[in-house]
Amino acid sequence: QSVLTQPPSASGTPGQTVTISCSGSYSNIGGNTANWYQHLPGTAPKLLIYNNNQRPSGVPDRFSASKSGSSASLAISGLQSEDEGDYYCAAWEVSLSGPIFGGGTKLSVL
Amino acid sequence: EVHLVESGGALVQPGGSLRLSCAASGFTFSNFWMSWVRHTPGKGLEWVANIEQDGHKTHYVDSVRGRFTISRDNAKNSLYLQMNSLRVEDTALYYCASGLDRGDPGRLDCWGQGALVTVSS
Repeated sequence: QSVLTQPPSASGTPGQTVTISCSGSYSNIGGNTANWYQHLPGTAPKLLIYNNNQRPSGVPDRFSASKSGSSASLAISGLQSEDEGDYYCAAWEVSLSGPIFGGGTKLSVL
Repeated sequence: EVHLVESGGALVQPGGSLRLSCAASGFTFSNFWMSWVRHTPGKGLEWVANIEQDGHKTHYVDSVRGRFTISRDNAKNSLYLQMNSLRVEDTALYYCASGLDRGDPGRLDCWGQGALVTVSS
């Protein structure tokens, strides 16, 4: 069972805004930055958000994120069909000396 | 452009061994931590191991510690994962991943396409 807790699924219609939550603890999100990854079918995972709310070059500003205490959230606005896939939060876990991932949230665009 | 290319995935029997390789290009390999992350349909993404820039320090998830060994050859821009005593539950797509921020080793900017490891009798 993942130490970072995400809802298993989320959905929305094209154009809507969807928010995915991620709950951790002081030893991961609480004491370190949160990152988000997008994993679309048949492709490699992609870094979507780093340092809580920063977008790598090339990631549309439809994707935004925030962190508060030991929780983080990802918002996707202007939902598009190509956004369908799995989304993972992650953070450095002190006890592992490595990153820990949430269980992933499967996003469906209806 | 950063490229990571894994190789070595195969079908192996429980208890067997396998060595994965990852060839890196497009960045200064020796400057960054490297990681192996695996994906299964049921469990999602799971970090497996990482290694610091000079290769002297390594870290593992509990489920593979003592069975897997991560290593790197900075002269060859290559990362490796030696997997011994393989179990059915090690079946997964294994990704090589790198960060491009020396101050945040948990941030995985670049990923390979993955190497499929299937453990089955």
